[in-house]
Amino acid sequence: QKEVEQNSGPLSVPEGAIASLNCTYSDRGSQSFFWYRQYSGKSPELIMFIYSNGDKEDGRFTAQLNKASQYVSLLIRDSQPSDSATYLCAVTGRRALTFGSGTRLQVQP
Amino acid sequence: GAVVSQHPSRVICKSGTSVKIECRSLDFQATTMFWYRQFPKQSLMLMATSNEGSKATYEQGVEKDKFLINHASLTLSTLTVTSAHPEDSSFYICSASWESRPDNEQFFGPGTRLTVL
Repeated sequence: QKEVEQNSGPLSVPEGAIASLNCTYSDRGSQSFFWYRQYSGKSPELIMFIYSNGDKEDGRFTAQLNKASQYVSLLIRDSQPSDSATYLCAVTGRRALTFGSGTRLQVQP
Repeated sequence: GAVVSQHPSRVICKSGTSVKIECRSLDFQATTMFWYRQFPKQSLMLMATSNEGSKATYEQGVEKDKFLINHASLTLSTLTVTSAHPEDSSFYICSASWESRPDNEQFFGPGTRLTVL
């Protein structure tokens, strides 16, 4: 079982819609959860992090964490074509960041 | 703030040569630096963690004699790929953090694209 699992996609949504990205993790000791965006050929850039159960909002982005279900998600409201990228979920606990394989998001104009 | 640079951004070398990649924290002192490798269409895989002034901790399956890591100062870590082969061609990314940084947040460099011919 992979430590951090994501659907590889692509997830295709129309411009202006809500994109929902999901991630599950196996280590119950995980403490912090990150969402990164990575454009092709570039390094990841941090969107937001969350460490408490519930929702955390930052602009058009909302991260949701459910530790009991070992599930973390990212909602992107009013999706724009510039949001088209690969979204990486990352988890820390007893060790350094462990990344999922990423979900490719395509926002159709 | 929290800017990390890498040099070079792209390197092409012949098989059997060694390549050095530098990672610098420009506006903070990085007590810990991380080196990742990313193959096409795959996720980032942690290679090693280095703390300033001590030996790097390598992940399982990463050859420490092939991937030499030096973290000689609080602003510089280097990764040397020795006797590079075509299978070492990849995107190498470093990140940096400091002890008091909450939630283990890491700041990533722009990456180095290595192509071994």
